[in-house]
Amino acid sequence: EVQLVESGGGLVQPGGSLRLSCAVSGFTFSRYWMTWVRQAPGKGLEWVANIKEDGSKTYCVDSVEGRFTISRDNAKNSLYLQMNSLRAEDTAVYYCARDDPGYAAYNSWGQGTLVTVSS
Amino acid sequence: QSALTQPPSASGSPGQSVTISCTGTSSDVGRYNYVSWYQQHPGKAPKLMIYEVSKRPSGVPDRFSGSKSGNTASLTVSGLQTEDEADYYCSSYAGRTGVFGGGTKLTVL
Repeated sequence: EVQLVESGGGLVQPGGSLRLSCAVSGFTFSRYWMTWVRQAPGKGLEWVANIKEDGSKTYCVDSVEGRFTISRDNAKNSLYLQMNSLRAEDTAVYYCARDDPGYAAYNSWGQGTLVTVSS
Repeated sequence: QSALTQPPSASGSPGQSVTISCTGTSSDVGRYNYVSWYQQHPGKAPKLMIYEVSKRPSGVPDRFSGSKSGNTASLTVSGLQTEDEADYYCSSYAGRTGVFGGGTKLTVL
């Protein structure tokens, strides 16, 4: 069974940092692009960042460019999102998702982890 | 990286059909046949309903169908059922990144 489990969310002050993790099981992690998607409270989904199977390519949305870094450790079956210089508008539930089937299609999602940026 | 445009709400009675539109640009929806649709119930993770414009993942009822014309994609739900009441999001590949629509709340009257 494919499983994705996010962790690392919590309350952080503006300007602070947080590292999210996504532990996966039930599939060969190193064969898939992976993506982070977020959803602010009561709002829609927002694509955040993705990473190639071997970690050699990463892309992110303009609003987090230079502040967020996506990475992965295929040996640990884990995906990460390092978030620095956090702002109130980064408050959201963050989901990790497997890119499959096809481009920008996500058939497997975690349960999400809530990040709250507030003083 | 502008969000795709969806109507904020749609509705229909049980048994009826409803279509939700998703308008992008020539850089995303219009350029690639990689449009997906997601269903999200409150407090739950999104569920993939359609990918590559019109393909259904295993287990998704054939009441759900997708199409695309130019820069606009559409999701049609036929034979509406009460459990179809949810938020629906479209997404598109945009050349390296992805982009989602703002979401449509589907109400089954």
